[in-house]
Amino acid sequence: SQTIHQWPATLVQPVGSPLSLECTVEGTSNPNLYWYRQAAGRGLQLLFYSVGIGQISSEVPQNLSASRPQDRQFILSSKKLLLSDSGFYLCALSTGMTEAFFGQGTRLTVV
Amino acid sequence: DQQVKQNSPSLSVQEGRISILNCDYTNSMFDYFLWYKKYPAEGPTFLISISSIKDKNEDGRFTVFLNKSAKHLSLHIVPSQPGDSAVYFCAASAVYNQGGKLIFGQGTELSVKP
Repeated sequence: SQTIHQWPATLVQPVGSPLSLECTVEGTSNPNLYWYRQAAGRGLQLLFYSVGIGQISSEVPQNLSASRPQDRQFILSSKKLLLSDSGFYLCALSTGMTEAFFGQGTRLTVV
Repeated sequence: DQQVKQNSPSLSVQEGRISILNCDYTNSMFDYFLWYKKYPAEGPTFLISISSIKDKNEDGRFTVFLNKSAKHLSLHIVPSQPGDSAVYFCAASAVYNQGGKLIFGQGTELSVKP
């Protein structure tokens, strides 16, 4: 069965520091991978979308970037965090015509 | 541009009664619709889905209705239970046109009172 590993569960980072969140998946090949963010009291906003290695689609202009160095690895990064980057970050996978499965999320607080 | 909208941020229902959560969309290319349930500090979990070729899909206490002409879908939970209290997100995708990326609404927080 498909599983998503996302870490860390919580993270507190100072403004201006770099960020790297990693997501790895198991039990499937060539999945579509997503990064979503849920800001406080808001819905799920799609940040990045990837259909394959090295293929990244950015959905909204922002201070973040994403990379997919391997088929089952999706990384969310920032060179310098802003206060507005705080939120709950979720990695998800889908295999095209099915529902997306989500990881447990990372709560990022930028202070 | 909010392509998927859940206009009710919250809903309160008595245990045993029906909960109806609504969702509207604007993109006519969407052909697959889903509902997710989310608890705080956890990832959303899939509940039920419907493709655009159907107008109803039922799974136990959960039924999703799709009205394509109105670009509207709803989730019915009956009977509602206290354990159903959570935030519910609707999502939509255009599988054959946009690669299936899921666009979510803002969520509706359901509270089922005993």
